Amino acid sequence: GENVEQHPSTLSVQEGDSAVIKCTYSDSASNYFPWYKQELGKGPQLIIDIRSNVGEKKDQRIAVTLNKTAKHFSLHITETQPEDSAVYFCAATSNSGYSTLTFGKGTMLLVSP
Amino acid sequence: DSGVTQTPKHLITATGQRVTLRCSPRSGDLSVYWYQQSLDQGLQFLIQYYNGEERAKGNILERFSAQQFPDLHSELNLSSLELGDSALYFCASSVVGGGPTSEQFFGPGTRLTVL
Repeated sequence: GENVEQHPSTLSVQEGDSAVIKCTYSDSASNYFPWYKQELGKGPQLIIDIRSNVGEKKDQRIAVTLNKTAKHFSLHITETQPEDSAVYFCAATSNSGYSTLTFGKGTMLLVSP
Repeated sequence: DSGVTQTPKHLITATGQRVTLRCSPRSGDLSVYWYQQSLDQGLQFLIQYYNGEERAKGNILERFSAQQFPDLHSELNLSSLELGDSALYFCASSVVGGGPTSEQFFGPGTRLTVL
């Protein structure tokens, strides 16, 4: 089955800095890679996703890049703000054909004012 | 607010007991997924239902079962509970049951504590 590794497990930045979270996956057949943000006491919230037919996608201060050859994808957050502080999860589809997601272990991002 | 609702928010019970967690998907979503989130295991996929039928199974224990009803709400039944079953249980829903476009939207979760 699919295996997703996520790094780093914790990331501390100053407000205004950029943050980068990286994930690798094992199943070359995976073709959908969402990123979720989970705030304390809440469920994961989809913030951006990318499919295997594109290499990069941007949405305001958030961008995701995908390198299918190397089987890794990354989340980039620019001009970080304290409200960006949360746990971020990457995920990839398994090869089951039914879009079940395999998640990374998560990255706790702390943005200090 | 994702539009996915889960009840109850918190559940405290004893070992050996049985509990039922409930999920209502977003309006129009046919697929429901259940996940378990614990500190050491992260988010683990348990099971998926699509329009009332089981579609995919993940790391779901035999003591756990689920179903999706005609009105598309779903229930996750956990029996013979053990201390290690204490976790957050999330339900997610998506419009379709498979393929690369199935964005999943998560509910707020049910925190289960087994004493």
